[in-house]
Amino acid sequence: GEDVEQSLFLSVREGDSSVINCTYTDSSSTYLYWYKQEPGAGLQLLTYIFSNMDMKQDQRLTVLLNKKDKHLSLRIADTQTGDSAIYFCAVASNDYKLSFGAGTTVTVRA
Amino acid sequence: EAGVAQSPRYKIIEKRQSVAFWCNPISGHATLYWYQQILGQGPKLLIQFQNNGVVDDSQLPKDRFSAERLKGVDSTLKIQPAKLEDSAVYLCASSLPTGVDEQFFGPGTRLTVL
Repeated sequence: GEDVEQSLFLSVREGDSSVINCTYTDSSSTYLYWYKQEPGAGLQLLTYIFSNMDMKQDQRLTVLLNKKDKHLSLRIADTQTGDSAIYFCAVASNDYKLSFGAGTTVTVRA
Repeated sequence: EAGVAQSPRYKIIEKRQSVAFWCNPISGHATLYWYQQILGQGPKLLIQFQNNGVVDDSQLPKDRFSAERLKGVDSTLKIQPAKLEDSAVYLCASSLPTGVDEQFFGPGTRLTVL
């Protein structure tokens, strides 16, 4: 599988924007995903982007894709305490198999 | 719509013992996945089924791990014998069979091997 790298921790103040970054190695990746995992729960798909797009916005979430640099980011606007969780970047190869990063733990402080 | 069900939620065993996990996917989802998530890491695919056939088991340690999906619905993942390094959360996911569809994850089974 390919390598997917994420920063491990992010601390953000409530109401500010959060930006979580991800880099990957396979330039032939087809779909790129962001999943959220809350304590004791499975992974929940937040959003995804096709590899031929460079931006996708969905309510408070904005995904940016830089294919040249193989860099994906997730921006959460107006971060709330309920956004505290682990966020995983996942990249699908040509056969749609997912490779996950190690996850970024986001802590929202009041 | 009911989600992906897994049981048990937690299991503690001693090394060299055997353990089995059960997964019931979302109704109508032909594709079923088992992932291993070690603490501090992202999920790693162990095996993928399409109906009752194996699509990919290249990352499954076949000397100790086995999985089946006999009737193309429920699935069981077994470890025999368990090692300390098998301590992890085992996640089951399911999706429609077109490849690009969203994978829906169950809550996972947390295994501790002592």
